[in-house]
Amino acid sequence: EIVLTQSPGTLSLSPGERATLSCRASQGVSSSYVAWYQQKPGQAPRLLIYGASSRATGIPDRFSGSGSGTDFTLTISRLEPEDFAVYYCQQYGRSPLTFGGGTKVEIK
Amino acid sequence: QVQLVQSGAEVKKPGASVKVSCQASGYTFTSYYMHWVRQAPGQGLEWIGIINPSRLGTTYAQKFQGRVTMTRDTSTNTVYMELSSLRSEDTAVYYCARDNSGRYLDYWGQGTLVSVSS
Repeated sequence: EIVLTQSPGTLSLSPGERATLSCRASQGVSSSYVAWYQQKPGQAPRLLIYGASSRATGIPDRFSGSGSGTDFTLTISRLEPEDFAVYYCQQYGRSPLTFGGGTKVEIK
Repeated sequence: QVQLVQSGAEVKKPGASVKVSCQASGYTFTSYYMHWVRQAPGQGLEWIGIINPSRLGTTYAQKFQGRVTMTRDTSTNTVYMELSSLRSEDTAVYYCARDNSGRYLDYWGQGTLVSVSS
């Protein structure tokens, strides 16, 4: 199975700062099959990015995704208070579908 | 609008089974596969498997093979996930999530907490 490793585990930043989250795959994945989700405490995950770089409906343009092969990145250009949450990457280029372990973005 | 509404919390004893439901609305039920994902307390997301509501095809993660069964009822637009031989490690929130084009999960249910304790 494809293992996704997210780094860092925790990112401590202030509102207005830029956040860069990494997701590394144990083997190459087509970018079409990479997605990112945001999860807040007590809530279900929410789709942010699909196809590595396409924003889901209603997602603000401060969220962007990039990458190919084994390295993918989620960038939040300027953190808003509501962006402090846990973020997961996911791949389904090869079964089984797998998720990364998550990156928590916390207020510094 | 697309909605996935799951059944309520469950408390089970070790060795028992649990069946969680997920009722879909706002789209053509048989046109989209459905995933089941779980999240243990304080942990990340774990994929359980996927069901094709149209043809009842299923694929399960190897870890759950032999213990999980996914079914559907097209008359009520509902999918079900049954997990047997429960143990304490199965305590988690279980989510259904709609598959989009075999690439990502675009809508999620609200989650169902399953607690396993003697």
